[in-house]
Amino acid sequence: KNEVEQSPQNLTAQEGEFITINCSYSVGISALHWLQQHPGGGIVSLFMLSSGKKKHGRLIATINIQEKHSSLHITASHPRDSAVYICAAPPPGSTLGRLYFGRGTQLTVWP
Amino acid sequence: GAVVSQHPSWVICKSGTSVKIECRSLDFQATTMFWYRQFPKQSLMLMATSNEGSKATYEQGVEKDKFLINHASLTLSTLTVTSAHPEDSSFYICSARSENYGYTFGSGTRLTVV
Repeated sequence: KNEVEQSPQNLTAQEGEFITINCSYSVGISALHWLQQHPGGGIVSLFMLSSGKKKHGRLIATINIQEKHSSLHITASHPRDSAVYICAAPPPGSTLGRLYFGRGTQLTVWP
Repeated sequence: GAVVSQHPSWVICKSGTSVKIECRSLDFQATTMFWYRQFPKQSLMLMATSNEGSKATYEQGVEKDKFLINHASLTLSTLTVTSAHPEDSSFYICSARSENYGYTFGSGTRLTVV
């Protein structure tokens, strides 16, 4: 069983729509990461959060430690947001150990 | 922000040859480098963890003699795929860990062995 589960696996949206990607994890963690993988393969770290909410531009990430759940929201989605979004977490008791990755959510935004 | 430069971005090599992939941290020191492999439509799979100046720790099932990792300095780590075979064709990506910047990923290397 994967320690980090994401849903949905694939997501298609029309430009301008509000997007939500969910992540749940089965072990206690101290922080969770949201990553973006571009079609070429490169990975960009979007957020690292351990509580509450973080916002960067049109991206918002929230986490509920008690419920072991995190969400990534994209407001006013745009075709350039099309990418694979991955949540990842280090093992319990660690903030900078190896990461466990979700399988990723392939987002496609149509103009 | 922190940048990890990974080269080459893609490489095609003949079966039986060796390929070296470099990851270099720019403007920061990477105390730890993680090397991952990714198959199409799948998640990243950790191959090994390397700390500067010490031997890499390999994940179960990863052949250390086939995937040679060198982390000779705080800014450079290399992965050498030795005697490559077509089944080694994959996407390889590194991630540097630092106290100041957390995790920074390279841009990845697509290896095709023919």
